[in-house]
Amino acid sequence: ETGVTQTPRHLVMGMTNKKSLKCEQHLGHNAMYWYKQSAKKPLELMFVYSLEERVENNSVPSRFSPECPNSSHLFLHLHTLQPEDSALYLCASSQGLALPYEQYFGPGTRLTVT
Amino acid sequence: AQKITQTQPGMFVQEKEAVTLDCTYDTSDQSYGLFWYKQPSSGEMIFLIYQGSYDEQNATEGRYSLNFQKARKSANLVISASQLGDSAMYFCAMREHEGAQKLVFGQGTRLTINP
Repeated sequence: ETGVTQTPRHLVMGMTNKKSLKCEQHLGHNAMYWYKQSAKKPLELMFVYSLEERVENNSVPSRFSPECPNSSHLFLHLHTLQPEDSALYLCASSQGLALPYEQYFGPGTRLTVT
Repeated sequence: AQKITQTQPGMFVQEKEAVTLDCTYDTSDQSYGLFWYKQPSSGEMIFLIYQGSYDEQNATEGRYSLNFQKARKSANLVISASQLGDSAMYFCAMREHEGAQKLVFGQGTRLTINP
Protein backbone atom coordinates (compact mmCIF):
# COMPACT_ATOMS: atom_id res chain seq x y z
CA GLU A 1 0.00 0.00 0.00
CA THR A 2 1.72 3.17 -1.19
CA GLY A 3 -0.84 5.80 -0.30
CA VAL A 4 -1.04 6.99 -3.90
CA THR A 5 -3.91 5.74 -6.01
CA GLN A 6 -4.52 6.14 -9.72
CA THR A 7 -7.61 5.56 -11.82
CA PRO A 8 -8.24 4.07 -14.23
CA ARG A 9 -5.55 1.39 -14.19
CA HIS A 10 -6.02 0.69 -17.89
CA LEU A 11 -7.35 2.97 -20.62
CA VAL A 12 -7.81 2.47 -24.34
CA MET A 13 -8.74 5.56 -26.31
CA GLY A 14 -8.98 6.68 -29.88
CA MET A 15 -7.04 9.63 -31.18
CA THR A 16 -10.10 11.87 -31.19
CA ASN A 17 -11.25 11.02 -27.66
CA LYS A 18 -10.94 13.13 -24.54
CA LYS A 19 -10.20 11.37 -21.27
CA SER A 20 -8.74 12.16 -17.88
CA LEU A 21 -6.39 10.33 -15.57
CA LYS A 22 -6.86 10.79 -11.85
CA CYS A 23 -4.33 10.58 -9.03
CA GLU A 24 -5.01 10.88 -5.31
CA GLN A 25 -2.50 10.84 -2.48
CA HIS A 26 -3.40 10.04 1.10
CA LEU A 27 -0.02 10.94 2.60
CA GLY A 28 -0.47 14.62 3.37
CA HIS A 29 2.21 15.55 0.86
CA ASN A 30 2.62 18.97 -0.72
CA ALA A 31 4.10 18.07 -4.10
CA MET A 32 2.71 15.90 -6.89
CA TYR A 33 4.17 14.72 -10.19
CA TRP A 34 3.23 13.13 -13.49
CA TYR A 35 5.71 10.81 -15.23
CA LYS A 36 5.56 8.96 -18.53
CA GLN A 37 7.16 5.53 -18.86
CA SER A 38 7.50 4.29 -22.44
CA ALA A 39 8.93 0.98 -23.49
CA LYS A 40 12.72 1.04 -23.66
CA LYS A 41 12.97 4.62 -22.39
CA PRO A 42 13.72 5.96 -18.94
CA LEU A 43 10.94 7.55 -16.94
CA GLU A 44 10.29 11.07 -18.14
CA LEU A 45 9.07 13.80 -15.82
CA MET A 46 6.10 15.62 -17.31
CA PHE A 47 4.72 18.00 -14.68
CA VAL A 48 5.39 19.04 -11.10
CA TYR A 49 2.97 20.73 -8.72
CA SER A 50 3.84 22.19 -5.36
CA LEU A 51 1.03 23.44 -3.13
CA GLU A 52 -1.28 23.26 -6.13
CA GLU A 53 0.96 25.50 -8.24
CA ARG A 54 2.67 24.13 -11.33
CA VAL A 55 6.42 24.52 -10.94
CA GLU A 56 7.67 22.47 -13.86
CA ASN A 57 6.38 21.75 -17.32
CA ASN A 58 8.95 19.56 -18.98
CA SER A 59 8.31 20.46 -22.64
CA VAL A 60 5.15 18.39 -22.76
CA PRO A 61 2.83 18.74 -25.79
CA SER A 62 -0.33 20.73 -25.17
CA ARG A 63 -2.50 17.67 -25.78
CA PHE A 64 -1.60 16.81 -22.17
CA SER A 65 -3.17 19.22 -19.71
CA PRO A 66 -2.60 18.82 -15.96
CA GLU A 67 -4.85 20.07 -13.20
CA CYS A 68 -4.24 20.17 -9.46
CA PRO A 69 -7.38 21.35 -7.65
CA ASN A 70 -5.95 20.67 -4.19
CA SER A 71 -2.85 19.12 -2.65
CA SER A 72 -4.39 15.64 -2.61
CA HIS A 73 -5.59 15.38 -6.19
CA LEU A 74 -3.91 15.59 -9.56
CA PHE A 75 -5.45 15.08 -12.98
CA LEU A 76 -4.03 14.64 -16.44
CA HIS A 77 -6.49 15.62 -19.15
CA LEU A 78 -5.87 13.98 -22.50
CA HIS A 79 -7.13 15.05 -25.93
CA THR A 80 -6.19 14.36 -29.52
CA LEU A 81 -3.47 11.92 -28.52
CA GLN A 82 -1.12 10.11 -30.88
CA PRO A 83 -0.24 6.39 -30.90
CA GLU A 84 3.24 7.25 -29.59
CA ASP A 85 1.57 8.56 -26.43
CA SER A 86 0.79 4.96 -25.46
CA ALA A 87 2.68 4.37 -22.23
CA LEU A 88 2.42 3.85 -18.50
CA TYR A 89 1.59 7.13 -16.79
CA LEU A 90 2.76 7.30 -13.21
CA CYS A 91 1.73 9.76 -10.56
CA ALA A 92 3.92 10.46 -7.55
CA SER A 93 3.89 12.64 -4.47
CA SER A 94 6.48 13.87 -1.99
CA GLN A 95 6.45 15.75 1.28
CA GLY A 96 8.28 18.62 -0.38
CA LEU A 97 10.32 19.48 -3.44
CA ALA A 98 13.73 19.59 -1.80
CA LEU A 99 16.10 16.77 -0.98
CA PRO A 100 15.97 14.31 0.73
CA TYR A 101 12.24 13.84 0.27
CA GLU A 102 11.63 10.71 -1.72
CA GLN A 103 8.75 10.38 -4.12
CA TYR A 104 6.00 7.83 -3.58
CA PHE A 105 4.45 6.44 -6.72
CA GLY A 106 1.03 5.15 -7.63
CA PRO A 107 0.44 1.95 -9.60
CA GLY A 108 0.13 3.81 -12.90
CA THR A 109 -2.39 4.00 -15.71
CA ARG A 110 -1.57 1.88 -18.74
CA LEU A 111 -2.71 3.99 -21.70
CA THR A 112 -3.16 2.64 -25.21
CA VAL A 113 -3.97 5.06 -28.02
CA THR A 114 -5.50 3.42 -31.07
CA ALA B 1 23.05 18.05 -17.29
CA GLN B 2 22.37 15.17 -14.97
CA LYS B 3 22.61 11.66 -16.31
CA ILE B 4 22.16 8.19 -14.86
CA THR B 5 23.65 5.06 -16.41
CA GLN B 6 22.68 1.51 -15.57
CA THR B 7 24.78 -0.82 -17.71
CA GLN B 8 23.11 -4.12 -16.81
CA PRO B 9 19.86 -4.59 -18.76
CA GLY B 10 19.24 -7.92 -17.04
CA MET B 11 20.64 -10.04 -14.23
CA PHE B 12 19.93 -13.59 -13.11
CA VAL B 13 20.77 -14.61 -9.55
CA GLN B 14 20.17 -17.70 -7.43
CA GLU B 15 17.91 -17.31 -4.43
CA LYS B 16 19.73 -16.40 -1.19
CA GLU B 17 22.74 -14.99 -3.03
CA ALA B 18 23.73 -11.34 -2.77
CA VAL B 19 23.42 -9.18 -5.87
CA THR B 20 24.90 -5.85 -6.87
CA LEU B 21 23.12 -3.59 -9.33
CA ASP B 22 25.35 -0.97 -10.92
CA CYS B 23 24.61 2.72 -11.25
CA THR B 24 26.88 5.55 -12.33
CA TYR B 25 25.87 9.16 -12.54
CA ASP B 26 27.07 12.42 -13.94
CA THR B 27 26.48 15.82 -12.39
CA SER B 28 28.32 19.08 -11.93
CA ASP B 29 26.50 19.83 -8.68
CA GLN B 30 28.12 19.25 -5.32
CA SER B 31 24.80 18.64 -3.60
CA TYR B 32 22.55 15.89 -4.90
CA GLY B 33 20.60 12.84 -3.84
CA LEU B 34 20.58 9.32 -5.21
CA PHE B 35 17.57 7.02 -5.03
CA TRP B 36 16.83 3.41 -5.88
CA TYR B 37 13.35 2.25 -6.81
CA LYS B 38 11.91 -1.20 -7.46
CA GLN B 39 9.19 -1.72 -10.05
CA PRO B 40 7.42 -5.11 -9.91
CA SER B 41 5.30 -6.30 -12.81
CA SER B 42 2.30 -4.58 -11.19
CA GLY B 43 3.80 -1.27 -12.32
CA GLU B 44 4.16 0.86 -9.21
CA MET B 45 7.57 2.25 -8.30
CA ILE B 46 8.58 1.37 -4.75
CA PHE B 47 11.16 3.54 -2.99
CA LEU B 48 14.01 1.47 -1.56
CA ILE B 49 16.86 3.63 -0.36
CA TYR B 50 18.33 7.15 -0.44
CA GLN B 51 21.91 8.46 -0.31
CA GLY B 52 22.77 12.12 0.00
CA SER B 53 25.95 13.38 -1.60
CA TYR B 54 27.24 14.66 1.74
CA ASP B 55 26.36 11.54 3.69
CA GLU B 56 29.56 10.01 4.98
CA GLN B 57 28.08 6.61 5.68
CA ASN B 58 26.65 4.29 3.05
CA ALA B 59 22.87 4.09 3.37
CA THR B 60 21.29 0.84 4.54
CA GLU B 61 17.64 -0.23 4.73
CA GLY B 62 17.11 -3.81 5.82
CA ARG B 63 18.50 -6.09 3.09
CA TYR B 64 19.31 -3.10 0.88
CA SER B 65 22.54 -1.14 1.06
CA LEU B 66 24.01 1.46 -1.21
CA ASN B 67 27.69 1.27 -2.09
CA PHE B 68 28.39 4.97 -2.61
CA GLN B 69 31.73 5.86 -4.20
CA LYS B 70 31.61 9.59 -4.72
CA ALA B 71 34.92 9.97 -6.52
CA ARG B 72 33.86 7.33 -9.05
CA LYS B 73 30.35 8.74 -9.22
CA SER B 74 28.84 5.35 -8.58
CA ALA B 75 25.93 4.35 -6.37
CA ASN B 76 25.49 0.61 -6.61
CA LEU B 77 22.60 -1.14 -4.89
CA VAL B 78 23.43 -4.29 -2.95
CA ILE B 79 20.67 -6.73 -2.06
CA SER B 80 21.71 -9.32 0.47
CA ALA B 81 20.12 -12.78 0.74
CA SER B 82 17.97 -12.36 -2.36
CA GLN B 83 14.39 -13.65 -2.36
CA LEU B 84 12.05 -14.67 -5.16
CA GLY B 85 9.99 -11.54 -4.47
CA ASP B 86 12.99 -9.41 -5.37
CA SER B 87 12.44 -10.19 -9.06
CA ALA B 88 11.56 -6.84 -10.62
CA MET B 89 12.95 -3.85 -12.51
CA TYR B 90 15.30 -1.69 -10.49
CA PHE B 91 15.86 1.97 -11.25
CA CYS B 92 18.56 4.30 -10.06
CA ALA B 93 17.62 7.98 -9.96
CA MET B 94 19.19 11.31 -9.03
CA ARG B 95 18.00 14.74 -7.99
CA GLU B 96 20.25 17.76 -7.88
CA HIS B 97 19.87 20.27 -5.08
CA GLU B 98 19.43 23.12 -7.54
CA GLY B 99 16.29 22.69 -9.59
CA ALA B 100 15.45 19.92 -7.17
CA GLN B 101 12.13 19.10 -8.74
CA LYS B 102 13.63 16.91 -11.40
CA LEU B 103 14.20 13.25 -10.58
CA VAL B 104 16.19 11.71 -13.45
CA PHE B 105 16.02 7.94 -13.88
CA GLY B 106 18.33 5.40 -15.49
CA GLN B 107 17.19 2.78 -17.97
CA GLY B 108 16.74 0.17 -15.28
CA THR B 109 17.99 -3.37 -14.62
CA ARG B 110 15.66 -6.35 -14.75
CA LEU B 111 16.57 -8.68 -11.89
CA THR B 112 15.38 -12.28 -11.94
CA ILE B 113 15.83 -14.46 -8.88
CA ASN B 114 15.93 -18.17 -9.63
CA PRO B 115 14.83 -20.77 -7.04
